[in-house]
Amino acid sequence: GAGVSQSPRYKVTKRGQDVALRCDPISGHVSLYWYRQALGQGPEFLTYFNYEAQQDKSGLPNDRFSAERPEGSISTLTIQRTEQRDSAMYRCASSRELAGAYEQYFGPGTRLTVT
Amino acid sequence: DAKTTQPPSMDCAEGRAANLPCNHSTISGNEYVYWYRQIHSQGPQYIIHGLKNNETNEMASLIITEDRKSSTLILPHATLRDTAVYYCIVRVQGGSEKLVFGKGTKLTVNP
Repeated sequence: GAGVSQSPRYKVTKRGQDVALRCDPISGHVSLYWYRQALGQGPEFLTYFNYEAQQDKSGLPNDRFSAERPEGSISTLTIQRTEQRDSAMYRCASSRELAGAYEQYFGPGTRLTVT
Repeated sequence: DAKTTQPPSMDCAEGRAANLPCNHSTISGNEYVYWYRQIHSQGPQYIIHGLKNNETNEMASLIITEDRKSSTLILPHATLRDTAVYYCIVRVQGGSEKLVFGKGTKLTVNP
């Protein structure tokens, strides 16, 4: 079946512009997660949702970053006034259960480059 | 910060068993040990998890010491496609859902 999809796969933007990254989880999965991965590092947690409710946003680095999942399916991660340090791979994952789910399925990621 | 320690890199010959160690000396009683791997630029992939008993699935085996302070992931017959970064993660089941990744072990399987 279809896995987690993310769009765009690559995004180049100029410093100061806003960007919106989209995640389409596996159908029926109730939990959705956002991670950021720098080159040579493991993924770093940003935020996650159960259905449409944002459960934990402790990993969002500052208030330029926000995420939403209004209908409990597709999610958007928005970065306002991008800076060069925001350049990274942004990964989305989903899992089918609430608390206790053990397997997160990751998407291919969006490579963001801020010039 | 990650609560696990792994060697930065390991090599293994194709067809041989790959044994990847992980130290988690501060693990709590309600924390599970999870293993994920990341092949090249793909997203991480779940491998296996366990609490205190040894576990086996179609991908790998997980051996957890009796004191639960360390574990070993075993790939019984490594193939070239097993070349990846392997992450050992401790996580509370039913608590915060985030995965905290460290730097992992880069396993290279050689022909």
